[in-house]
Amino acid sequence: AQKITQTQPGMFVQEKEAVTLDCTYDTSDQSYGLFWYKQPSSGEMIFLIYQGSYDEQNATEGRYSLNFQKARKSANLVISASQLGDSAMYFCAMRETASKLTFGTGTRLQVTL
Amino acid sequence: GAGVSQSPSNKVTEKGKDVELRCDPISGHTALYWYRQSLGQGLEFLIYFQGNSAPDKSGLPSDRFSAERTGGSVSTLTIQRTQQEDSAVYLCASRQWTGMNTEAFFGQGTRLTVV
Repeated sequence: AQKITQTQPGMFVQEKEAVTLDCTYDTSDQSYGLFWYKQPSSGEMIFLIYQGSYDEQNATEGRYSLNFQKARKSANLVISASQLGDSAMYFCAMRETASKLTFGTGTRLQVTL
Repeated sequence: GAGVSQSPSNKVTEKGKDVELRCDPISGHTALYWYRQSLGQGLEFLIYFQGNSAPDKSGLPSDRFSAERTGGSVSTLTIQRTQQEDSAVYLCASRQWTGMNTEAFFGQGTRLTVV
């Protein structure tokens, strides 16, 4: 079974609109962390946001927020007020206790005028 | 340097040759990961080092792949008898071992092309 599932291979959003990138995960651990990374065409991996399994509040970092629904095992990334520079690949990742960081297959986001 | 450093940035090698890829993690980071990313694809986990613990090698695709980490710092990923399907970007990341919420910092990667 996939640990991290990103079902949207590609998404389009108009500039200044909000967009949600989906991520579901599979774990039997009680303690785990969820991460989102951005990978622009330059190839670098940029950390965006983190959500811990015990965090009661949804994480927010500027225009990024994480819609964490623990019972559904989903950790969707919401980008508000999209900008052209947001066009990139977005990866969801999970780290279970004392374990490796597992990535999903990614969603390519294209922001249009 | 302040970030994760990988060398070389690009490597072209002939099929059947061995290659070594190097990763210098951020100073003080005890966790180190190697990933492989084929063109337009996601990140495939290869190997994970954490301090003095035995590494998690569960992602290595074949016995042609090996990695070591000397002195808990620099890591080398070795691919023996390279094949064309080994062509990819190899990414290294490091992280402080101070809790679940510390993010991994990535290097710029080594683009390996096997011809």
